[in-house]
Amino acid sequence: QKEVEQDPGPLSVPEGAIVSLNCTYSNSAFQYFMWYRQYSRKGPELLMYTYSSGNKEDGRFTAQVDKSSKYISLFIRDSQPSDSATYLCAMSGVNRDDKIIFGKGTRLHILP
Amino acid sequence: DVKVTQSSRYLVKRTGEKVFLECVQDMDHENMFWYRQDPGLGLRLIYFSYDVKMKEKGDIPEGYSVSREKKERFSLILESASTNQTSMYLCASSRNRGTIYFGEGSWLTVV
Repeated sequence: QKEVEQDPGPLSVPEGAIVSLNCTYSNSAFQYFMWYRQYSRKGPELLMYTYSSGNKEDGRFTAQVDKSSKYISLFIRDSQPSDSATYLCAMSGVNRDDKIIFGKGTRLHILP
Repeated sequence: DVKVTQSSRYLVKRTGEKVFLECVQDMDHENMFWYRQDPGLGLRLIYFSYDVKMKEKGDIPEGYSVSREKKERFSLILESASTNQTSMYLCASSRNRGTIYFGEGSWLTVV
């Protein structure tokens, strides 16, 4: 079983829809959970960062962590064409030597 | 604002050449990383460093070396470039766990 699984997509949704992006993981030691947005031919940009469980909201973006199910989600409300990108989840443990494990990314297309 | 700068965005090199990829961060971060990103393979860690003059191998260090002479600068070196090293290379830095920041990436083509 892979440590982090993420559906590669592509996921196509109409403008204005709510987008749900998800990752599952197997390592119960993960405590830090991140979402990155990556535009074509650019580096990943840190979008959201959560420690342990719960929800975090930032504008149109909400990150959720369900540690009991080992499942994390990123919701995008009122999606815009500019949200079209690849979204990567990432997670790590609390120790300095813990590697950061990345999902392979989900390609999202917002259709005008 | 967080800033990780990779000096070269696009490079074309010949097989066997020595290649230097430079990375500078302005956030006084202790930790710096080099990844490569390939379609279908995702991000793979090449080397990382937790301190000046310190380096650790990542998952795919073969064919690469690194140098960290100053806290803000982390260089990736391809001793003898090969075509299978054609890729996007990403430098990143962090202070704490979980908040890793990437540069814009360096696209390397080896011919």
